[in-house]
Amino acid sequence: DTEVTQTPKHLVMGMTNKKSLKCEQHMGHRAMYWYKQKAKKPPELMFVYSYEKLSINESVPSRFSPECPNSSLLNLHLHALQPEDSALYLCASSQVVSNHYEQFFGPGTRLTVL
Amino acid sequence: TQLLEQSPQFLSIQEGENLTVYCNSSSVFSSLQWYRQEPGEGPVLLVTVVTGGEVKKLKRLTFQFGDARKDSSLHITAAQPGDTGLYLCAGNYGGSQGNLIFGKGTKLSVKP
Repeated sequence: DTEVTQTPKHLVMGMTNKKSLKCEQHMGHRAMYWYKQKAKKPPELMFVYSYEKLSINESVPSRFSPECPNSSLLNLHLHALQPEDSALYLCASSQVVSNHYEQFFGPGTRLTVL
Repeated sequence: TQLLEQSPQFLSIQEGENLTVYCNSSSVFSSLQWYRQEPGEGPVLLVTVVTGGEVKKLKRLTFQFGDARKDSSLHITAAQPGDTGLYLCAGNYGGSQGNLIFGKGTKLSVKP
């Protein structure tokens, strides 16, 4: 298994809703990431988990709450989002190959906030 | 602040033409990755370059890493419509979690 999976593929939510994005990998990678990507822009790093501990939070608003239940799963809990949070949310995991990292991305969740 | 300059930002060419995309930085990378992304999908890893001066080929795509490991290029020979997409370079400056710094991307359109 050499892929990162994400669910759901698409999500539409209102500003008062609570929803969660899920990410899973079974490659034994110990670092996992959440990115946000707006149209025609590169991915922007949100959070990094290393060995199931949050190691980086790139000043993300508290309406985004990450969770890493185990080494294969990564969740992103969403609450009281704003329309400007509409974007493609990407999960990635990375492995060390000959002393350098390679990151592999999931297909993303297209989020629309109404 | 580490920056990765990618150019050109947009490229529209005819099928069969050649093209080159560049990524440059003033800092040294421990490794650099090239991704291709289609609309609404996640980036797909094409190649990782690690050693200064390294050249890697993937069919019609040739990737080069500068001798000083501060720059990289992607050359596509005889572009096909299927090559259309967003090409992203991403540098790893050796952080402990393998964090990447992304270039702004090159939106390539190959017309039949």
